[in-house]
Amino acid sequence: AQTVTQSQPEMSVQEAETVTLSCTYDTSESDYYLFWYKQPPSRQMILVIRQEAYKQQNATENRFSVNFQKAAKSFSLKISDSQLGDAAMYFCAYRAPNYQLIWGAGTKLIIKP
Amino acid sequence: GAVVSQHPSWVICKSGTSVKIECRSLDFQATTMFWYRQFPKQSLMLMATSNEGSKATYEQGVEKDKFLINHASLTLSTLTVTSAHPEDSSFYICSARGLAGGGGVQETQYFGPGTRLLVL
Repeated sequence: AQTVTQSQPEMSVQEAETVTLSCTYDTSESDYYLFWYKQPPSRQMILVIRQEAYKQQNATENRFSVNFQKAAKSFSLKISDSQLGDAAMYFCAYRAPNYQLIWGAGTKLIIKP
Repeated sequence: GAVVSQHPSWVICKSGTSVKIECRSLDFQATTMFWYRQFPKQSLMLMATSNEGSKATYEQGVEKDKFLINHASLTLSTLTVTSAHPEDSSFYICSARGLAGGGGVQETQYFGPGTRLLVL
């Protein structure tokens, strides 16, 4: 069965600095998608970044980038130049072949001004 | 692009009444819509998956007679909580996956803003 593990329940970072959120997953599939979603206090789930497993290049979206290590089944999110608006719950998700998402437990990110 | 709306955002109802929640994909056609429930400080729990024109597939432990899902068109799915009770109070979120097209809508779930349900 596919699983997603986020081992950091909470992380804090100083504004303008860089933080990395960890995610590991388990699957026997060779082709799949991985996602990071952000859920701010409004509770709207917002797509941060998407990675296709067959692409070796790490995805990047402005200040957000991933370190995708397929063999290690690791998918970490790096946030550069952290801003107060980045404060949120961050969820890592694996997309199963039936298009369902398998979710990690989430990491609460706190930004210190 | 890839905007999903959900209505209402807040609903308070009396025990025993039914509540309907609408989920719409505004700028794309959604081949599949998903309904989730989220408890405080927890991840999302998938309740059911619905494809346009087909019966919804419910996850184990979700009462299909209590949580009625209809996906009548490629842009609209509804969740009706029948005979709601206080234990049904929760945050309900829908998401949509698009038909083939650009921007990754086929590969990605886009989420509505959620509905907070309080049953008194």
